[in-house]
Amino acid sequence: GAVVSQHPSRVICKSGTSVKIECRSLDFQATTMFWYRQFPKKSLMLMATSNEGSKATYEQGVEKDKFLINHASLTLSTLTVTSAHPEDSSFYICSARTLGLKETQYFGPGTRLLVL
Amino acid sequence: AQKVTQAQTEISVVEKEDVTLDCVYETRDTTYYLFWYKQPPSGELVFLIRRNSFDEQNEISGRYSWNFQKSTSSFNFTITASQVVDSAVYFCALSDHMEYGNKLVFGAGTILRVKS
Repeated sequence: GAVVSQHPSRVICKSGTSVKIECRSLDFQATTMFWYRQFPKKSLMLMATSNEGSKATYEQGVEKDKFLINHASLTLSTLTVTSAHPEDSSFYICSARTLGLKETQYFGPGTRLLVL
Repeated sequence: AQKVTQAQTEISVVEKEDVTLDCVYETRDTTYYLFWYKQPPSGELVFLIRRNSFDEQNEISGRYSWNFQKSTSSFNFTITASQVVDSAVYFCALSDHMEYGNKLVFGAGTILRVKS
């Protein structure tokens, strides 16, 4: 149980284009999903907290117009990197919090984004 | 403010050796949760354990064991008889008792290399 998927696993795009990353909880309902960014050999940095049916809460320093987050259902959250630039290249990981075990976050496999 | 310190940046051991990964945390909350996650080269974070602040019992799961000591604010992780497949980055994380959100604060991670 508690499986989270992400799609795509890897994406290469040209500078200026937008990229959408999907995060799905496959076997449970997630009222809250989290989006993280991880640079090579670094720890995870929380970007935003996404609650189903409401606006995402962004961490300080994260541009909400740049990183659009939508949490339309209890099993799906999307992160759209708008007008991507090379400095947006990173490993993006989502996690979902279960209803039953509120304190535990289960993570997706991550999406590697490379902006040329 | 919450903080997690993993002082060991990288550890190398030979297969079958025991290894302990250190984790020291800071929080003002009386109710909190501690986690360990494993991140193999594939990138996906694998949940290993959750411990709440009221449960100081040490836990053993196969070759893994955890030592939670509130007096020293530590939550150390020991792998007994290490194997090559244990090679990964290990993250310790802390979450407070927020009713809605439960943000995770991650340590910097410890790279474990197990050589055959």
